[in-house]
Amino acid sequence: NAGVTQTPKFQVLKTGQSMTLQCAQDMNHEYMSWYRQDPGMGLRLIHYSVGAGITDQGEVPNGYNVSRSTTEDFPLRLLSAAPSQTSVYFCASSSRTLNTGELFFGEGSRLTVL
Amino acid sequence: DQQVKQNSPSLSVQEGRISILNCDYTNSMFDYFLWYKKYPAEGPTFLISISSIKDKNEDGRFTVFLNKSAKHLSLHIVPSQPGDSAVYFCAARDSWGKLQFGAGTQVVVTP
Repeated sequence: NAGVTQTPKFQVLKTGQSMTLQCAQDMNHEYMSWYRQDPGMGLRLIHYSVGAGITDQGEVPNGYNVSRSTTEDFPLRLLSAAPSQTSVYFCASSSRTLNTGELFFGEGSRLTVL
Repeated sequence: DQQVKQNSPSLSVQEGRISILNCDYTNSMFDYFLWYKKYPAEGPTFLISISSIKDKNEDGRFTVFLNKSAKHLSLHIVPSQPGDSAVYFCAARDSWGKLQFGAGTQVVVTP
């Protein structure tokens, strides 16, 4: 009954470092996405994927990279961390059979870039 | 440019009374509207949704109203309970199937 699992929950980076936020779902959902949450900005879409091997950019993709080699996993890579990437990151997934667009979210990963 | 807006960052309501959360949007092509609830240190969880072809959807204490001509939707919570204290996000699904979110409204239910 895991749903969407994100690791790590907390991370502190120095400017210029790189890292990967992991996301895995066990619901066989085709659609996966990454959002960031910032005060006063709501949730903004970074990247998304409609299936293995297919990814596309969202609203705020700069500085981030994604890949989707399996249905279950959708890692988010920060190539060279900047203080502006300090945020809470959420991974979410959904099934195309749920026509309402409902997303299932992970618990979030809080990232601080110094 | 934010296409989904929640203009009230916070709302305080007494236990037992009605909470009304508002959301405005600009894109007439949105086909589904959703409300999510978020507690601190947790991910958002789905609350209720409404299709663009309907004007009302009810689920227990929660009712969502859609006014397409005004590009406005609202969430009513009746009666409000202490466990309803959370951040509520309005979201809309665009023609590409992606969800766009508002900035959120912090609801505090007081005894």
